[in-house]
Amino acid sequence: AQTVTQSQPEMSVQEAETVTLSCTYDTSESNYYLFWYKQPPSRQMILVIRQEAYKQQNATENRFSVNFQKAAKSFSLKISDSQLGDTAMYFCALEGSNYKLTFGKGTLLTVNP
Amino acid sequence: DVKVTQSSRYLVKRTGEKVFLECVQDMDHENMFWYRQDPGLGLRLIYFSYDVKMKEKGDIPEGYSVSREKKERFSLILESASTNQTSMYLCASSRTDTYGYTFGSGTRLTVV
Repeated sequence: AQTVTQSQPEMSVQEAETVTLSCTYDTSESNYYLFWYKQPPSRQMILVIRQEAYKQQNATENRFSVNFQKAAKSFSLKISDSQLGDTAMYFCALEGSNYKLTFGKGTLLTVNP
Repeated sequence: DVKVTQSSRYLVKRTGEKVFLECVQDMDHENMFWYRQDPGLGLRLIYFSYDVKMKEKGDIPEGYSVSREKKERFSLILESASTNQTSMYLCASSRTDTYGYTFGSGTRLTVV
């Protein structure tokens, strides 16, 4: 069975600062994919960033980057230069060979002006 | 712009009613999924489908069934709605190349 754990139910950050959201996971598969999804108050779930487990290089998408530590089974999301529009629920998710996503319980991030 | 469309944004139903939640995707995706989202519990998989007329149980299938008669449409059925099925329901689809899911906007179902 796959599990995803997000240990921070809520976080806050000042606008323009950097924040890191934590995620740990467990899986018995050797090939898998990790994702961060964002769900703003409007509720549409949006893909933020994707990481293939076989790639050692950490994925980046503009202000969003990950720190993928495969041995530690850790997959944290760093948001640089935080903006008010980054306020959302963030979900870490893992996809194995069966295409099913297992989600963490989410971290509510609030960006303060 | 690719889309996953859920037919209702808000729905109120009575206990014991049969409820249909519809989901349509226009991306020719093979895989489709139904999740429910509850505060503090995250997203939990109800059912999924890899192809037309195929269905697989997820983690919490009790009280639900699904139908996939066409590739683009995946319906979630509550045979006899109960108050503990009050929740946000999210539909998603994906290709087989694991590039992540595309989600619909969700249906907030209230059973009274």
